This record gives sequence, C-alpha cells and structure tokens, in this order.
Amino acid sequence: EAQVTQNPRYLITVTGKKLTVTCSQNMNHEYMSWYRQDPGLGLRQIYYSMNVEVTDKGDVPEGYKVSRKEKRNFPLILESPSPNQTSLYFCASSLGSPGAGNEQYFGPGTRLTVT
Amino acid sequence: KQEVTQIPAALSVPEGENLVLNCSFTDSAIYNLQWFRQDPGKGLTSLLLIQSSQREQTSGRLNASLDKSSGRSTLYIAASQPGDSATYLCAASFGNEKLTFGTGTRLTIIP
Repeated sequence: EAQVTQNPRYLITVTGKKLTVTCSQNMNHEYMSWYRQDPGLGLRQIYYSMNVEVTDKGDVPEGYKVSRKEKRNFPLILESPSPNQTSLYFCASSLGSPGAGNEQYFGPGTRLTVT
Repeated sequence: KQEVTQIPAALSVPEGENLVLNCSFTDSAIYNLQWFRQDPGKGLTSLLLIQSSQREQTSGRLNASLDKSSGRSTLYIAASQPGDSATYLCAASFGNEKLTFGTGTRLTIIP
C-alpha cells in the first residue's frame, strides 16, 4: 500500500530534550515536506526537500532541523524543544514540487507536547 | 502576500442536502489547488486536485471548481451523508515549493 508513515504518533517531552520524528514514504517520491498545524493558523511549512541531500527552509524553520540522506526518509529533528513547538506535525510527499502541479500525500500526523 | 481563506469556519447541514464549501485566494497566478479532508486526530486525505488550466474536477459525489479571475474555488458535495462530517481544507500552490493552506471548514452532517 502506498503511504507516508510517521513515528511516533504521540509524544510528550520536556523542554530541552532532543527528539526526532521519523517520516518514510514508499512511493519513490522526490519531494518531501514537513508542516505543523496550529489552531487558527492552519498548516505551515517547516522544511522541504526536493531530493536526496537537498533541503530548504519553509515558512517556520526556527528550532527545527531536517536531513535527507535517503529518498524514502525525511526525519524532523528538534535539538532543544520548547513549549511553543507543541503542535500537530505532518509529513508529506509528492513526485515533484507542489508548484509543478504534483499531488501531495500526507502522513497520519504526530502530536507533540512539550512541557 | 499569498493567502488562502475559508469561510465559514464551521457548517452544519441536514443529511441528504447538497452543499458548497468555499475557498478564496489572493493571487490569481495560481498553479493548482487541492482539496483535502481531515478527520479528527488523523492526517489529510487528498480529495481533488485542480490544475490552473482546468475549471473543475469530479470524483463521485464531489465536484471542485476553480475560478482564477475571481480568486475562488468551491467544493460541491451532493446528497450529503453523516460520513461526510470532517474538516475540509483547501490548499493552493503559487509556483513555489509549498502549499498555502486555508484554516479549514468543519462540516457536520446532521442525521
């Protein structure tokens, strides 16, 4: 089954404790992206990757890191989480850039709480 | 600034009725527009994708239209069912490397 998977689905952590949220897709997609969803603000892009070893900032990259060592994986790293990073996070992938008319496929989401 | 707006934020409709969800955007230089469905606690499911060269797309009871000149897209749901209850999000691509999302319309179908 073609899908985007994220782990963990739920995470409660404390301020400053490094964490990684994994994302994997099995559709051989070139483009991958991370979004966060907050009430009243909608989904906002954190980082995206056009291909292996190519990453770039989205609208809200502060406090996050990403890497793209393999095509299928795109982990999101919070080196020192803070309470304002409490949010619902989504990974997405597509054959190519959304700007080129490519349909986005989303993972099930990771609900992160930082206390 | 490129923005996408969805009004109203919430909508309740009796079962069986046809309904229209609205999405407006500020930049007519849109590349494509995608409609998603989001169920509580779950991810986004793509419903329809309309390219800038198209005026509408249909899938089953769903029909999405795109009017670039007026900056509007609509999602029409025919013969609504309780299972249609969800939050519906529209997202536009303006030629850059991301989707710009609206904040969604929470739809409740009343049995």
